[in-house]
Amino acid sequence: DTEVTQTPKHLVMGMTNKKSLKCEQHMGHRAMYWYKQKAKKPPELMFVYSYEKLSINESVPSRFSPECPNSSLLNLHLHALQPEDSALYLCASSQDMTGGAYEQYFGPGTRLTVT
Amino acid sequence: KNQVEQSPQSLIILEGKNCTLQCNYTVSPFSNLRWYKQDTGRGPVSLTIMTFSENTKSNGRYTATLDADTKQSSLHITASQLSDSASYICVVSEGGGNKLTFGTGTQLKVEL
Repeated sequence: DTEVTQTPKHLVMGMTNKKSLKCEQHMGHRAMYWYKQKAKKPPELMFVYSYEKLSINESVPSRFSPECPNSSLLNLHLHALQPEDSALYLCASSQDMTGGAYEQYFGPGTRLTVT
Repeated sequence: KNQVEQSPQSLIILEGKNCTLQCNYTVSPFSNLRWYKQDTGRGPVSLTIMTFSENTKSNGRYTATLDADTKQSSLHITASQLSDSASYICVVSEGGGNKLTFGTGTQLKVEL
């Protein structure tokens, strides 16, 4: 099984709402990633978890809060977002994050709209 | 600054024709280069991954080449199909880690 699943597929939220995005993989991967992708732009790395510990935070605003409850799950908690945060949020996983040659498998993404 | 540049930005071809997409990079140290296919609104799907010592790699109708000396790669699509319509993204991994530098992609449209 080389699948990364993400829920929900679509999310519309107001600027005062609190919501969460969920990502799951059962490939035994120990590295998991959150990316943000705006239309017609490449994905931008937000966070990396390695062995369930936050390894990289690309200076993401605190209104985005990642969480890794276990090795298969990755959440992204959203609070007080701005309309410019509307984007496709992609989750990915890889066997490890060192060495560089490990394939990153992407989920289908959550299309987020902030109103 | 590490960069990955792709050309052309967009391309329209007729079904059944071949095409070649280009990628130039300045990422250093280099670990590997990947080509991904991304359908609109979906996550990227890996086509090939090549390390420093690999010059060419195929995946069905997709063939990627790598020239690590000139820091160039190409993705050749043979006998295109309507389902090949997507964005093709060249991604380079820095040596020693799994941090990826993404190109801006080539938007390919295959028409009847």
